[in-house]
Amino acid sequence: AQSVTQLDSQVPVFEEAPVELRCNYSSSVSVYLFWYVQYPNQGLQLLLKYLSGSTLVKGINGFEAEFNKSQTSFHLRKPSVHISDTAEYFCAVYVQGGKLIFGQGTELSVKP
Amino acid sequence: IAGITQAPTSQILAAGRRMTLRCTQDMRHNAMYWYRQDLGLGLRLIHYSNTAGTTGKGEVPDGYSVSRANTDDFPLTLASAVPSQTSVYFCASSDLPGADTQYFGPGTRLTVL
Repeated sequence: AQSVTQLDSQVPVFEEAPVELRCNYSSSVSVYLFWYVQYPNQGLQLLLKYLSGSTLVKGINGFEAEFNKSQTSFHLRKPSVHISDTAEYFCAVYVQGGKLIFGQGTELSVKP
Repeated sequence: IAGITQAPTSQILAAGRRMTLRCTQDMRHNAMYWYRQDLGLGLRLIHYSNTAGTTGKGEVPDGYSVSRANTDDFPLTLASAVPSQTSVYFCASSDLPGADTQYFGPGTRLTVL
């Protein structure tokens, strides 16, 4: 069965520092991977997705993620975070039948 | 463009009562989804619909039912609410089922006492 594990439940970081949010997946078939962001008291919105092609995927707000098939990872990175990046971030994998399986979420807290 | 609207925004409900959460999208998307979000568990799929007239079960369907009479609406019904159904519920839609971007509503916070 396909699954997603987000390795950190909380990541505190200072403003303008780099950040990496880790995501590992398990799948025996081709994977489609997603990162969604949830700002406080809002629904989720797509940050970026990997379907095929280049393993480095660029998304909105300066985020990027790298698909690593050998390590079954899809870590999210940003070179310099802002206070406004404080949110919860979810990694997800597409499952046959049109469904997404989400990870448990990582709470990013950016401090001044 | 409103996107996805959900109603109510929040609700406190007595156990055993019936409750319908409403979801409407104006994007003419084919697929719609219901998730519940619980602390430490992320989002879990309850039910989905790949096109009007069809529905399917997700990871946690027990105690919930859905219908998809038309493209725009996808109500979620709790026939007899229990405290374990206390959660935040999100409706989402995508143009196509599959690896397509899902667009989420603002959520309904439900408390079952």
